[in-house]
Amino acid sequence: DTEVTQTPKHLVMGMTNKKSLKCEQHMGHRAMYWYKQKAKKPPELMFVYSYEKLSINESVPSRFSPECPNSSLLNLHLHALQPEDSALYLCASSPTGHLNTEAFFGQGTRLTVV
Amino acid sequence: GENVEQHPSTLSVQEGDSAVIKCTYSDSASNYFPWYKQELGKRPQLIIDIRSNVGEKKDQRIAVTLNKTAKHFSLHITETQPEDSAVYFCAATISGGYQKVTFGTGTKLQVIP
Repeated sequence: DTEVTQTPKHLVMGMTNKKSLKCEQHMGHRAMYWYKQKAKKPPELMFVYSYEKLSINESVPSRFSPECPNSSLLNLHLHALQPEDSALYLCASSPTGHLNTEAFFGQGTRLTVV
Repeated sequence: GENVEQHPSTLSVQEGDSAVIKCTYSDSASNYFPWYKQELGKRPQLIIDIRSNVGEKKDQRIAVTLNKTAKHFSLHITETQPEDSAVYFCAATISGGYQKVTFGTGTKLQVIP
């Protein structure tokens, strides 16, 4: 299995809602990532987990809360989002202990905040 | 932090011609340079990569070159086909147990049949 699976594929939420994005991989990768991609822009790194510990938080607002319950799962909890948070949210994973290897991306969750 | 510049932002070529996309990076600690192709509404997918200890790599119609001294790297696609039409992102990566990837701004390639 060489896939990173994200659910849901599409999500529409109100500004007062609480929702979660989920990401799963079974490649034994111990580094997992959340990226945000706006239309016609490159992916921007949000968070990095390495061995289930948060290693990088790129100054992301607290309305985004990541969680890594185990080595295969990565969640992104959303609360009180703004319309400008509408974007494609991409999860990725990569091996650790192996330098210079690619990150495998999931298909993304297209989020619309209304 | 790392900054990656990518040019051109759009590129139109006739089918069968070559396409070249150029990137520069700022952080000399970057040691891995992947290129991703992203079709509309889909995930970025790796098409080729190069490590900092290599100057050139080729895979069929795709080649990448790296000049570490100048902090430049380039993607070359020969004999372009309509299915090559997509957005291409270069990236510079600092590897240290995990990948800290900084993407370029993207190039929208259109191959005209």
